[in-house]
Amino acid sequence: GAGVSQTPSNKVTEKGKYVELRCDPISGHTALYWYRQSLGQGPEFLIYFQGTGAADDSGLPNDRFFAVRPEGSVSTLKIQRTERGDSAVYLCASSPTRWEEGATEAFFGQGTRLTVV
Amino acid sequence: AQSVTQLGSHVSVSEGALVLLRCNYSSSVPPYLFWYVQYPNQGLQLLLKYTTGATLVKGINGFEAEFKKSETSFHLTKPSAHMSDAAEYFCAVTTYDKVIFGPGTSLSVIP
Repeated sequence: GAGVSQTPSNKVTEKGKYVELRCDPISGHTALYWYRQSLGQGPEFLIYFQGTGAADDSGLPNDRFFAVRPEGSVSTLKIQRTERGDSAVYLCASSPTRWEEGATEAFFGQGTRLTVV
Repeated sequence: AQSVTQLGSHVSVSEGALVLLRCNYSSSVPPYLFWYVQYPNQGLQLLLKYTTGATLVKGINGFEAEFKKSETSFHLTKPSAHMSDAAEYFCAVTTYDKVIFGPGTSLSVIP
């Protein structure tokens, strides 16, 4: 497809379980971002990839959260030992170059709604 | 560190009326500013952005925003609201570090 694709669209998991959220960026986009959006809040930065490497992971809330992008395309956000407070919409975005440089824009996927019960 | 505030978590306007959504930012250096719109169960879509140059920026769907450095503001306006404008609107700022979003304003359009 032409846009950013995120799977699954919805995920319900039990407290303490492990989950993986997948993001397929727009082809050729080197920058990839993960954001978390809690109910009634704006997106909160989690991690930024430039190519295969995590250029900035300062937004990951704790060591239960981890993300990879092994081939510089698809990225997976991994959450261990899920807690009810992890419930949120997880958004992925990609851009041709680093979004913060302003010359481009980030294109967002529809998000994965994670519910921890 | 930069931050964004959006005055009014919820705004209601009548169809055909002026839309004004407020955004103020805090930044120690000249920022880049964005407005994004989010329709229900969809991702964020860029409305417009300010980087450098002309301070009045025109975007899609008839929206525009004006960067006012002295007021540290980047308010979003549209002369005449349409029912299809009902959505969540987010202002965002970056100073070459990371993009920070405001909490959002939910716009309702009353027929």
